[in-house]
Amino acid sequence: AQKVTQTQTSISVMEKTTVTMDCVYETQDSSYFLFWYKQTASGEIVFLIRQDSYKKENATVGHYSLNFQKPKSSIGLIITATQIEDSAVYFCAMREYRGSALGRLHFGAGTQLIVIP
Amino acid sequence: GALVYQYPRRTICKSGTSMRMECQAVGFQATSVAWYRQSPQKTFELIALSTVNSAIKYEQNFTQEKFPISHPNLSFSSMTVLNAYLEDRGLYLCGARDPGGREQYFGPGTRLTVL
Repeated sequence: AQKVTQTQTSISVMEKTTVTMDCVYETQDSSYFLFWYKQTASGEIVFLIRQDSYKKENATVGHYSLNFQKPKSSIGLIITATQIEDSAVYFCAMREYRGSALGRLHFGAGTQLIVIP
Repeated sequence: GALVYQYPRRTICKSGTSMRMECQAVGFQATSVAWYRQSPQKTFELIALSTVNSAIKYEQNFTQEKFPISHPNLSFSSMTVLNAYLEDRGLYLCGARDPGGREQYFGPGTRLTVL
């Protein structure tokens, strides 16, 4: 069975600091993809960053980076130098590699990030 | 860049009526489209996965009779919610992916309110 768990419901941080959001996953597949998405107040879901399970290096995009710990089935999202506009709900998601166009995303419950000025 | 549009953004319908929502991919070929519903509690439910020229695969608790989907070409998909009731309320999200892409890009969603 596939499952994605985000235990942090809400996090508040001061602007310009670094925040880490946790995510653990369960899968029987040896190959899979891990994603982080951000949902804004308007409901829009924005893709942020991806980690391929076969890559050892942690992915980095702009001020987003990942802490991928495969033995622990963990994929934390790190946001450095947080800005007010980073306030949103962050979702962790996983998709198994099936070698085809089909493949569902399994989402975590989301973590609300509040950046305080 | 890859963009996904959804229309309408918000809709209100009377209980027992139906409404259709559309999803348009721009800048890439959406060979794979997934329709999700996000509940007021923010949890995601996958409704169905569709691939152009292949059968649409519905998840448990969702049927073609209730949520008919059309995916006629590489840029467009539509879904209808038939006989909508209160439990159908939520944000309906379209996620599209091209054959070489690993990310799924989402539209802004269609928020359905049922009176």
